[in-house]
Amino acid sequence: GDSVTQMEGPVTLSEEAFLTINCTYTATGYPSLFWYVQYPGEGLQLLLKATKADDKGSNKGFEATYRKETTSFHLEKGSVQVSDSAVYFCALSDRAQAGTALIFGKGTTLSVSS
Amino acid sequence: DAGITQSPRHKVTETGTPVTLRCHQTENHRYMYWYRQDPGHGLRLIHYSYGVKDTDKGEVSDGYSVSRSKTEDFLLTLESATSSQTSVYFCAISGQGDQPQHFGDGTRLSIL
Repeated sequence: GDSVTQMEGPVTLSEEAFLTINCTYTATGYPSLFWYVQYPGEGLQLLLKATKADDKGSNKGFEATYRKETTSFHLEKGSVQVSDSAVYFCALSDRAQAGTALIFGKGTTLSVSS
Repeated sequence: DAGITQSPRHKVTETGTPVTLRCHQTENHRYMYWYRQDPGHGLRLIHYSYGVKDTDKGEVSDGYSVSRSKTEDFLLTLESATSSQTSVYFCAISGQGDQPQHFGDGTRLSIL
């Protein structure tokens, strides 16, 4: 079945450092890809998404590019802030079926210190 | 923010008792989902609904049942709670087509 694998954390960075969180997927169809972020004590918020190959999703300085040839959707940010400390989830959904559930990676905890 | 309210936000109960969690939406979205979040597992789908009275099982549905009698409400019931169901439960909603899912703030359930 479909699956998502993301790098294990925690990832610990200093403020203004470059961030990469790796995400690869396995899918039988042609999925849409998502990054969600969860701040402590809160629910998941959609950070960005991409629905077809070579699409780049971006939001709040974060970017990720849908790479079909490498089945990857790595999350990047050029300069992290303390406020970016959170858990980040990569997820996919099967585009062929509206309303299908998301399949999540296990999450990567990011801790940014000043 | 998407209009999703989960209740209760926190609950502690004993093994063997029934528990019902409620998800209420004000977006009139067709699809509603229940996930559980556990360390080392990410989020896993329990059940989902694609309309009033239309529901289906997810990856980890054993021990859970759901009901959706109105568009805005999706109930998750643990008929006889077990300690393995201690978790954080999230409700999510989505509209038609390829719209992304939006999540509630979660219910932290502890079963002693």
